[in-house]
Amino acid sequence: SQQGEEDPQALSIQEGENATMNCSYKTSINNLQWYRQNSGRGLVHLILIRSNEREKHSGRLRVTLDTSKKSSSLLITASRAADTASYFCATRSPGTYKYIFGTGTRLKVLA
Amino acid sequence: GAGVSQSPSNKVTEKGKDVELRCDPISGHTALYWYRQRLGQGLEFLIYFQGNSAPDKSGLPSDRFSAERTGESVSTLTIQRTQQEDSAVYLCASSLVMDDATNEKLFFGSGTQLSVL
Repeated sequence: SQQGEEDPQALSIQEGENATMNCSYKTSINNLQWYRQNSGRGLVHLILIRSNEREKHSGRLRVTLDTSKKSSSLLITASRAADTASYFCATRSPGTYKYIFGTGTRLKVLA
Repeated sequence: GAGVSQSPSNKVTEKGKDVELRCDPISGHTALYWYRQRLGQGLEFLIYFQGNSAPDKSGLPSDRFSAERTGESVSTLTIQRTQQEDSAVYLCASSLVMDDATNEKLFFGSGTQLSVL
């Protein structure tokens, strides 16, 4: 399969806690992106990290990238019930405009 | 339009029938992608179009699947002789391609839920 792997597959936390999800991929990349999906329909872009970057922040989101391990992590701090969704990583490899998505992490934030 | 538009939002068909799914990308976006998502699963790449280049069809699961795009506008995904295993949400996305990928991101439509009975 071309898909990346994400873990955990599902995560349930209390509001206010931090949520961490991980993504592993298989080939060299130009960039890695994280997307959020509510209710199994359209995805929304959250954050992009380039292959020469190691860490990036956006609001309550923190993304790290380790190209030697072909892995990334997404940290959501001070989670809210509204963060309940599925989260996917996506990678683009050099020489192609194709984006390959991971298997996703289903996050549930309990109020 | 303001976003990526897909139609129909839901399609119920009988096994063996052909279906056409439509995607209207954001105006000016040169790249257009089709993905399939089965219930509770990740996104499976099907095909992408980039400008006037030959499309990358490497993800199409069988010759029953085909897609076309007119210039840099509307795309149609056609599934012939549908099977129950084709039941899924079909997602379309478009993007403005940038060589350095600095701000490149995909904008998704709301998808078409296909149910094959």
